[in-house]
Amino acid sequence: DTAVSQTPKYLVTQMGNDKSIKCEQNLGHDTMYWYKQDSKKFLKIMFSYNNKELIINETVPNRFSPKSPDKAHLNLHINSLELGDSAVYFCASSLTWNDSPLHFGNGTRLTVT
Amino acid sequence: KNEVEQSPQNLTAQEGEFITINCSYSVGISALHWLQQHPGGGIVSLFMLSSGKKKHGRLIATINIQEKHSSLHITASHPRDSAVYICGYNTDKLIFGTGTRLQVFP
Repeated sequence: DTAVSQTPKYLVTQMGNDKSIKCEQNLGHDTMYWYKQDSKKFLKIMFSYNNKELIINETVPNRFSPKSPDKAHLNLHINSLELGDSAVYFCASSLTWNDSPLHFGNGTRLTVT
Repeated sequence: KNEVEQSPQNLTAQEGEFITINCSYSVGISALHWLQQHPGGGIVSLFMLSSGKKKHGRLIATINIQEKHSSLHITASHPRDSAVYICGYNTDKLIFGTGTRLQVFP
């Protein structure tokens, strides 16, 4: 059973399109995250939700919108995709905010052409 | 200047060698994470520690909160340890270093 699963694994799309990445965790965790990893492998936090409430919203273009319908799901919707959005996006979860180990999904490689 | 500095950036070793990766940070924290990212891309949490030392198999992580420094040690390194090792912390946001790329050759 996959603890943190995200789909799709690969996403290739053209500039200007709108796409979504889904994430689900079956660990019963309260907190979920979206990270972006660029070509230099730098892992940067984008958003964090705790019990469906947004608690971190880093300086991310408002074309990116997270949605958490319940504690087990945190989806990422991206409007008007740009070339610079190409990266690997990781979903993660932790039992609580700030003091629990992180569990990562396998990542979604987004390529914008 | 990065809020989390890791050294070295790249590290090569022969199988069996003792490996040390260092992580320094600039603010007071309650806990530090060590992550491992394999060439296939998946990320695994190795340790979360707030004081002293933790050990898991051949991996040992230490932290000195006062000195704002942590180290990850790998004893008897093996080619399957080849990966990128990333440290980071939570305060009001999550900050990670740029990682140390380790290659262990047989």
